[in-house]
Amino acid sequence: DSGVTQTPKHLITATGQRVTLRCSPRSGDLSVYWYQQSLDQGLQFLIQYYNGEERAKGNILERFSAQQFPDLHSELNLSSLELGDSALYFCASSVAQSTQYFGPGTRLLVL
Amino acid sequence: KNEVEQSPQNLTAQEGEFITINCSYSVGISALHWLQQHPGGGIVSLFMLSSGKKKHGRLIATINIQEKHSSLHITASHPRDSAVYICAVRDRDDKIIFGKGTRLHILP
Repeated sequence: DSGVTQTPKHLITATGQRVTLRCSPRSGDLSVYWYQQSLDQGLQFLIQYYNGEERAKGNILERFSAQQFPDLHSELNLSSLELGDSALYFCASSVAQSTQYFGPGTRLLVL
Repeated sequence: KNEVEQSPQNLTAQEGEFITINCSYSVGISALHWLQQHPGGGIVSLFMLSSGKKKHGRLIATINIQEKHSSLHITASHPRDSAVYICAVRDRDDKIIFGKGTRLHILP
């Protein structure tokens, strides 16, 4: 158990819908990262937050947004969902730019 | 060409063999990570390197910054080492770039 929690574990929704994925980092970790893993693209970095502020941005679509709240938990919002958004979404946390601890992931299926 | 290349893509070996997985990158980096992903999907960070060599149990990771190359070695491999091993780099803009992974299968 990494200490990072993600909810929900599984999510099935329809195209055009909007969903919110939630991540609680390990106690004391200020950095939160979001990743997408699909079968054809592998792991891709979406975005990093550090203590509430956006720190780095990867290949995050405009339809996706994220934020980190004062209690350090983070949410990833995915809107206008497309079939191609079906993937595993991982959250990870770290103290700063150090070793990352990964959550179990949220499996999203868009039908 | 991908900015992070791993080789081999797939590797099958007998229990006890010495395993080497390679990672080459083409961008300036501040750190390199080796990750392990088991068939169930969970991801574990094995090493974070910015220079030199690190060892943890039967695992050894090395990095050569000048040659932009890192290796992950597994000594006395065991079937429980079967997993996908992923190399990732943090570039100078703090973006994280992943290799496509090496699928390792250790036969008993």
